[in-house]
Amino acid sequence: QKEVEQNSGPLSVPEGAIASLNCTYSDRGSQSFFWYRQYSGKSPELIMFIYSNGDKEDGRFTAQLNKASQYVSLLIRDSQPSDSATYLCAVNPPYSSASKIIFGSGTRLSIRP
Amino acid sequence: GAVVSQHPSRVICKSGTSVKIECRSLDFQATTMFWYRQFPKQSLMLMATSNEGSKATYEQGVEKDKFLINHASLTLSTLTVTSAHPEDSSFYICSAREGMGQPQHFGDGTRLSIL
Repeated sequence: QKEVEQNSGPLSVPEGAIASLNCTYSDRGSQSFFWYRQYSGKSPELIMFIYSNGDKEDGRFTAQLNKASQYVSLLIRDSQPSDSATYLCAVNPPYSSASKIIFGSGTRLSIRP
Repeated sequence: GAVVSQHPSRVICKSGTSVKIECRSLDFQATTMFWYRQFPKQSLMLMATSNEGSKATYEQGVEKDKFLINHASLTLSTLTVTSAHPEDSSFYICSAREGMGQPQHFGDGTRLSIL
């Protein structure tokens, strides 16, 4: 089982709709969770981070964390064509020797006009 | 805030050349910096983790003598690809983090092409 799992997509969503991206992780004690967006040919950029159970909102983006079920999701409201990108979920595992975050392989999101 | 600057953005050079890539955290002190490589349409691949003032930790399969990493200060890490060959052509990306559990912030990447 991969440590961080995402559906590779592509996920196709009509413009103006809500895009829902999901991620599951294997290490129950993980504490920090991140969502990155990566456009083709560019480096990843941080969108959201969340540490506590529940929802965290920032503009059109909402991160949701459920530690009991070991999943974290990203909702994008009022999707725009410019949101078309690969979205990377990343998790900071709990073991004391860890100094790196673990990335999922990403979900490709396509917003159709 | 949290800006990471990476230079150069693109390098084209002949086989056998050594190439140095710089990664700087501009507005925060980075206790840890990371170097990734990404081939087209593939996932990020972590190459190594470096902590200021200590030797880098390389991922399995990454040659430390081929990819030299120096993290001499809290704001600067360098990756040197020694005696580069065409198979080293890739997109190299650095990231920096202020502390454990904090987000990693990425540089813009360096596209390396070896002829």
